[in-house]
Amino acid sequence: SAVISQKPSRDICQRGTSLTIQCQVDSQVTMMFWYRQQPGQSLTLIATANQGSEATYESGFVIDKFPISRPNLTFSTLTVSNMSPEDSSIYLCSVQGQGNTEAFFGQGTRLTVV
Amino acid sequence: QKEVEQNSGPLSVPEGAIASLNCTYSDRGSQSFFWYRQYSGKSPELIMSIYSNGDKEDGRFTAQLNKASQYVSLLIRDSQPSDSATYLCAVNKARDKLIFGTGTRLQVFP
Repeated sequence: SAVISQKPSRDICQRGTSLTIQCQVDSQVTMMFWYRQQPGQSLTLIATANQGSEATYESGFVIDKFPISRPNLTFSTLTVSNMSPEDSSIYLCSVQGQGNTEAFFGQGTRLTVV
Repeated sequence: QKEVEQNSGPLSVPEGAIASLNCTYSDRGSQSFFWYRQYSGKSPELIMSIYSNGDKEDGRFTAQLNKASQYVSLLIRDSQPSDSATYLCAVNKARDKLIFGTGTRLQVFP
């Protein structure tokens, strides 16, 4: 499986500010995804990061709030913009090969907004 | 109806027993099914994948899939306290994205 490095691992941020989370993979991957896991909850897909084009967002998530970049097949960023305490969560990067293959996760970023 | 449903638990089993975790899904077009284990404060870790009806065994773990009943399960034999975690069922839909259930918390007591 690919080695996925996600950073920062945690951060405490002031409301109204933005945080960019980076996800680096040690090999080229077809699919990259960003998930959110709120305390005590399961994983919710935010968006699919598409290489060279705009991300595909799930219902309830918008580009202005969660802009995503994917400049190449090994790297992606997720920005959480204009943060509020409700954005406090764990954010996870995930990679998959093409087709119905397994997904693997980065270590996650634990975000606390105060 | 949720797309992927799991009993949230906790499921408590004694050490050495078989733990049985269940998952149902709503989309008959689903093609791939996965079980992830998540320890508290950690990211999910893939433990089993299954793609066709029947059983698939890997060590102490057995995944079972019944597409007609839209049901997938995970059996853990000889449960150990180290198996205590949340187990997430995930289903692959069109366009390759995974949909996760809410997870079942398993507690194995000595």
